[in-house]
Amino acid sequence: GQQVMQIPQYQHVQEGEDFTTYCNSSTTLSNIQWYKQRPGGHPVFLIQLVKSGEVKKQKRLTFQFGEAKKNSSLHITATQTTDVGTYFCAGPGFGNEKLTFGTGTRLTIIP
Amino acid sequence: DTAVSQTPKYLVTQMGNDKSIKCEQNLGHDTMYWYKQDSKKFLKIMFSYNNKELIINETVPNRFSPKSPDKAHLNLHINSLELGDSAVYFCASSQTGTGRETQYFGPGTRLLVL
Repeated sequence: GQQVMQIPQYQHVQEGEDFTTYCNSSTTLSNIQWYKQRPGGHPVFLIQLVKSGEVKKQKRLTFQFGEAKKNSSLHITATQTTDVGTYFCAGPGFGNEKLTFGTGTRLTIIP
Repeated sequence: DTAVSQTPKYLVTQMGNDKSIKCEQNLGHDTMYWYKQDSKKFLKIMFSYNNKELIINETVPNRFSPKSPDKAHLNLHINSLELGDSAVYFCASSQTGTGRETQYFGPGTRLLVL
């Protein structure tokens, strides 16, 4: 079945440093979604990318969808303590309506 | 006015017991889901219902039985609880159930089986 892997699994950064998480799917995706889960919280939708090569920005967050629509990345510039949490990518394969979540990247910030 | 609510928030119980978790959404969505998140934070879909009909049924032990009395509610009943069932269970909903939609998650139910 479809697998969605994320690397790294954990990332510890100093406050102010940049952070990137990478998402790779075993199958082509019709779209990719990103969610953030704060410690003790629930996943919350951040953004959706649909087009091949699409790039979207939300303040310090930059999201990219690969040309082949099998990978994606999330880059955070100048991390802040509020960025702490686990970031998940999620996507359905073509013809598959089930959203498969990636393995997640847990970000911790050292003040 | 919480969009997706779950009860209880915490559940501590003995092995072998039967327990239920309830979920309600007030977003008017047609589709609801149950996810299991283990200690490594992996988020796995268990079931989805669209307008009270079972759509997705992953490889889940038949001790787990979902029930959807109406499209705003999706409950999860677990029989003969095992240690390995300890996890956080999230309910979620989306508009029609396609993979192109945002999913809205409830706050989660933290289940600990002793």
